[in-house]
Amino acid sequence: AQSVTQLGSHVSVSEGALVLLRCNYSSSVPPYLFWYVQYPNQGLQLLLKYTSAATLVKGINGFEAEFKKSETSFHLTKPSAHMSDAAEYFCAVYGNKLVFGAGTILRVKS
Amino acid sequence: GAVVSQHPSRVICKSGTSVKIECRSLDFQATTMFWYRQFPKQSLMLMATSNEGSKATYEQGVEKDKFLINHASLTLSTLTVTSAHPEDSSFYICSASSRTLRNEQFFGPGTRLTVL
Repeated sequence: AQSVTQLGSHVSVSEGALVLLRCNYSSSVPPYLFWYVQYPNQGLQLLLKYTSAATLVKGINGFEAEFKKSETSFHLTKPSAHMSDAAEYFCAVYGNKLVFGAGTILRVKS
Repeated sequence: GAVVSQHPSRVICKSGTSVKIECRSLDFQATTMFWYRQFPKQSLMLMATSNEGSKATYEQGVEKDKFLINHASLTLSTLTVTSAHPEDSSFYICSASSRTLRNEQFFGPGTRLTVL
């Protein structure tokens, strides 16, 4: 079975500051891991994914995430937040199906 | 590429009526389609998985007679909420995947269902 825990339902950062969204996973098989972004009343857009290749994964819009097996983590980072990054972010793990975390709402202050 | 559409984007219906939501893969053939449900301020929960031409596989706790899923072609899946009630009000999101696209799921924009 797979599960995902996202630490912090809300994260607030200033524009230009580092973004760090935390995700820990549990999986009985080598996991595929994903980060998605969702804007209000819209579907999900894939930011990046880990599929057992490089542990540091670069995605769209300047986001990246690092897979750390020893910590069972897949935290999402961006060096400098932009106002347009304000959205809800979901971490997900795929074993035999896609299982989502509870989501983290990112607020960017000007 | 890999675009998934949903129709309608929002629907309001009276309690007791049935509502059909369409999910289409516009530029690829989807061997598998998925239906998710998202309650306000909550995460997505998988409802069912369907493969073209076969019956859908429902997740535990999802009533198959209430949420009818048809995957009649490689580009179209439909979700019918039968005898809808206010507690069925939710955001329904579909996704589609294809073996030729490494089985990555591509998500539709979602359908907001409000049952009065």
